[in-house]
Amino acid sequence: EADIYQTPRYLVIGTGKKITLECSQTMGHDKMYWYQQDPGMELHLIHYSYGVNSTEKGDLSSESTVSRIRTEHFPLTLESARPSHTSQYLCASSGGLNYGYTFGSGTRLTVV
Amino acid sequence: DQQVKQNSPSLSVQEGRISILNCDYTNSMFDYFLWYKKYPAEGPTFLISISSIKDKNEDGRFTVFLNKSAKHLSLHIVPSQPGDSAVYFCAAITNYGGSQGNLIFGKGTKLSVKP
Repeated sequence: EADIYQTPRYLVIGTGKKITLECSQTMGHDKMYWYQQDPGMELHLIHYSYGVNSTEKGDLSSESTVSRIRTEHFPLTLESARPSHTSQYLCASSGGLNYGYTFGSGTRLTVV
Repeated sequence: DQQVKQNSPSLSVQEGRISILNCDYTNSMFDYFLWYKKYPAEGPTFLISISSIKDKNEDGRFTVFLNKSAKHLSLHIVPSQPGDSAVYFCAAITNYGGSQGNLIFGKGTKLSVKP
């Protein structure tokens, strides 16, 4: 059973809409991450957080924003969706040294 | 500059044979390495890992080998099964005196196991 949950799994939305992708984990992990992946391409880190009220931008520039008000919750928001935002968004969390990351099932976003 | 490289985008293997997926890295500070498996429209799932103090780690059909001097690791799957068909990501991480860096992923290798 998954300990990290992403909703929705699939989302088709029109250009200009504001969207929030949800990510929650029940493992008490301090570190959480958002990755973006296009089909057949590598995973790009777009945001990460090492704890409550801590957020940083990742290696790939993204127009999205994130917040970390609670340990278990790390939502990602796009204020105005565009077709270039069409991608798969993967959330992950980490428990510390050598634990690696646990990933959610992802959100497949399509902006039309 | 890519710190973790998977130079083979794809690999096709017959069922029952060995699959060997390769990964090279450039950062000598990496001290922990992981392999993830990813199906389409799913998140990556952890497969196997190895610490830099070891040169081999085995878990069932999966074995990871690490050659630190060559900055190279490989994942062996024996015997390969059609259900192993997926994209495999190599990843590496550094631990600075108790503080963990971010996981760095390769571009992935798509494995196809044919019946």
